[in-house]
Amino acid sequence: DAGVIQSPRHEVTEMGQEVTLRCKPISGHNSLFWYRQTMMRGLELLIYFNNNVPIDDSGMPEDRFSAKMPNASFSTLKIQPSEPRDSAVYFCASSQPGTSGSYEQYFGPGTRLTVT
Amino acid sequence: AQSVTQLDSHVSVSEGTPVLLRCNYSSSYSPSLFWYVQHPNKGLQLLLKYTSAATLVKGINGFEAEFKKSETSFHLTKPSAHMSDAAEYFCVVPSNTGKLIFGQGTTLQVKP
Repeated sequence: DAGVIQSPRHEVTEMGQEVTLRCKPISGHNSLFWYRQTMMRGLELLIYFNNNVPIDDSGMPEDRFSAKMPNASFSTLKIQPSEPRDSAVYFCASSQPGTSGSYEQYFGPGTRLTVT
Repeated sequence: AQSVTQLDSHVSVSEGTPVLLRCNYSSSYSPSLFWYVQHPNKGLQLLLKYTSAATLVKGINGFEAEFKKSETSFHLTKPSAHMSDAAEYFCVVPSNTGKLIFGQGTTLQVKP
């Protein structure tokens, strides 16, 4: 399996521009998670989906952030308009509860976003 | 409610010496527990997982962890550190909703 795929791997954009991050979960996984990681705040869960439905978006910082999962194999995280404080590494992860209900998540390589 | 506490934010060892990264958990039921590793500028990788099948769990790269219910601990160990083990390590417990609850992380430094 190719694992969780994220694109782009690096994104540099100017303040005010729209940014779209993409994620393809592992085939067969029915849960998808978006995280943000910074030195100051560590790893933060932004939103997660079960069976393509958003379950908990309480971690989304503000209305500038939105996420969609139109089908089981694709999700996007959009920031519009972007601000310098959005600079971070954004990770996507997916999981499929096992027979033991272990819920381990598999992470993508991340997208490093820099907003200037 | 579930939680994990990593007792050391930074651990420094010499290459070839044992590694011990400490984690205590709090859970109202017998939990699953994971250790993840994050190398610099990389994503998080599952190192090992405990799911009640066996209390001593072996993971990748020679790491292992022992679940001790009486001590509510899940410490990560390795007999002999390698330079490539330098990374951030996270002790993690899943909530019953599928979300992961991360410890604060322990940075492992390996000196030559």
